[in-house]
Amino acid sequence: QVRLVESGGGVVQPGGSLRLSCAASGFTFRHYGFHWVRQAPGKGLEWVTFIRYDGNNNTYAESVKGRFTISRDNSKNTLYLQMVSLRAEDTAIYYCAKELIRLSRGGPLDTWGQGTMVTVSS
Amino acid sequence: SYVLTQPPSVSVAPGQTAKITCGGNNIGNERVHWYQQKPGQAPVLVVSDDSDRPSGIPERFSGSGSGNTATLTITRVEAGDEADYYCHVWDPTTDHRVIFGGGTMLSVL
Repeated sequence: QVRLVESGGGVVQPGGSLRLSCAASGFTFRHYGFHWVRQAPGKGLEWVTFIRYDGNNNTYAESVKGRFTISRDNSKNTLYLQMVSLRAEDTAIYYCAKELIRLSRGGPLDTWGQGTMVTVSS
Repeated sequence: SYVLTQPPSVSVAPGQTAKITCGGNNIGNERVHWYQQKPGQAPVLVVSDDSDRPSGIPERFSGSGSGNTATLTITRVEAGDEADYYCHVWDPTTDHRVIFGGGTMLSVL
């Protein structure tokens, strides 16, 4: 069964840091690209970042560029999102999502985790 | 920057057909994907690449696109279809980011 499970969310003060993890199972992790997508309370989906299957050519939304870093450990089947200099507007549920097609980017996202909540507040 | 525009809400009676639009510049030339999100749940892919249905998605869900509008059509709407729906493309102007529409809340009267 294809599955993604996020962890690492919590409450952090403005300016603080947090690292999210997304554990994958049920498929060949190293063959797929992944995204982080977030959703502020009561708002729509906002794309955050993408990592290619080989870990290269990562891309970021302008709102997080320079503060967030996506990475992956193919030996652990795990995706990460390192977040620094957090702001109140980063408060959201963070989802990891898998590309449907092997070795591709920019395609449909066929599997999503359940999400992990990040709250930035003093 | 590339923008996808969706109506905030669509209402339909059970058994009728719902059409949810997604407007974007020449969106008919792009691969459009659609997601359903119910309260408290993660999004679920319901249509990919304009008109393909993932395994397990009912045939009642279909997609189409032309010109500046893509459309998700849900026939024989059921109460369980009540949800938020989002369209998604890979930004054709920058080729390095995902764009989501603002979402449409489907209400089943």
